[in-house]
Amino acid sequence: QSALTQPPSASGSPGQSVTISCTGTSSDVGGYNYVSWYQQHPGKAPKLMIYEVSKRPSGVPDRFSGSKSGNTASLTVSGLQAEDEADYYCSSYAGSNNFVFGTGTKVTVL
Amino acid sequence: QLQLQESGPGLVKPSETLSLTCTVSGGSISSSSYYWGWIRQPPGKGLEWIGSIYYSGSTYYNPSLKSRVTISVDTSKNQFSLKLSSVTAADTAVYYCARHTVATICFDYWGQGTLVTVSS
Repeated sequence: QSALTQPPSASGSPGQSVTISCTGTSSDVGGYNYVSWYQQHPGKAPKLMIYEVSKRPSGVPDRFSGSKSGNTASLTVSGLQAEDEADYYCSSYAGSNNFVFGTGTKVTVL
Repeated sequence: QLQLQESGPGLVKPSETLSLTCTVSGGSISSSSYYWGWIRQPPGKGLEWIGSIYYSGSTYYNPSLKSRVTISVDTSKNQFSLKLSSVTAADTAVYYCARHTVATICFDYWGQGTLVTVSS
């Protein structure tokens, strides 16, 4: 199974929105509504931000939203804040009890 | 509050076996609602799922690592463990243990991670 494809970097000014894509195949992203997104600050463990494509865990700001179309999932961060600067990874169930992560995107707040 | 903590040697020699344990506190590893998994991250690189285990002992491994990986669970100690055999420098990484849900299939709680370096 190959890693899901994400852009290496994305950026935006405070208050703006940034959208990160996550492209897979019909065997993972396109085949299941089990896409999740993780935020990782330097030297820290990943933190769950979105699950089941578009659901937010308790405590995650509603500035974070997720969606999916075909084999591509997306994470949008609206109203960018300095603390949103981090690496973001998508993940998808890939069938037969397998999981695959994305290549990761570094978000910079300008 | 659920907590996961990885433990084990930080340095392993090439061709030897990497062994790590994850201790779960604040919740039972025997819950039917969760799997328990290992994920790794080489320095400066992305995340890679290694494998997962259910409290019953059922295991699921990344096909690319399956031949070298063994994950086991000890419900009496609320722990699960990872063994990765025949390691090389490419196995140098931060290793995380994490909980993932049966229903929503996402990793909702993570350990802080432990760096394992493969070097002679």
